[in-house]
Amino acid sequence: GAVVSQHPSRVICKSGTSVKIECRSLDFQATTMFWYRQFPKQSLMLMATSNEGSKATYEQGVEKDKFLINHASLTLSTLTVTSAHPEDSSFYICSARASTGGIYNEQFFGPGTRLTVL
Amino acid sequence: EDQVTQSPEALRLQEGESSSLNCSYTVSGLRGLFWYRQDPGKGPEFLFTLYSAGEEKEKERLKATLTKKESFLHITAPKPEDSATYLCAVRVLSGNTPLVFGKGTRLSVIA
Repeated sequence: GAVVSQHPSRVICKSGTSVKIECRSLDFQATTMFWYRQFPKQSLMLMATSNEGSKATYEQGVEKDKFLINHASLTLSTLTVTSAHPEDSSFYICSARASTGGIYNEQFFGPGTRLTVL
Repeated sequence: EDQVTQSPEALRLQEGESSSLNCSYTVSGLRGLFWYRQDPGKGPEFLFTLYSAGEEKEKERLKATLTKKESFLHITAPKPEDSATYLCAVRVLSGNTPLVFGKGTRLSVIA
């Protein structure tokens, strides 16, 4: 149990295009999901906190118009990188916090999405 | 300001050589301390959550302990497959506050 999936696992796109990354909690409900970015050999950098049915809260320095987050249901959040540029190339990881059940308050991570912008 | 400090940054062990990783924290109100394991190119894998001082949890060769100021992740007789980055994080206050992460300890276990 407590599985978080991400899709796609890898994506290569041309500069100027938009890319959507999906994050799903497969066997639990998550009122809150988080999106992180990770550079090589560095720790996780929080980008935004996403609450089901409401607008995401972005960390300082993260452009909300560039990184669009939608959390339409208790099991799905999406991150869209709009007009991607090479500097957006990174490893993006989502995380879901269980809102009910025996794993309440536990937080689980997806496998990550490697984005490469050419 | 809430802070989490992990030490050492990197640790190299011989197979079978037990050791401990440290996570010290300074927070306004602890609502949970989390340990994760992360392999290169993958998302963090949940290991443990500790909620109160004196609490201990075990999983295979790993044992996590918690005091009012720090947590230890003890690795007993490690194997090469235990090589990974171990991340410590804390949750403070209540509501939907995000985890505060340490920078991690990169563990290498040599056969």
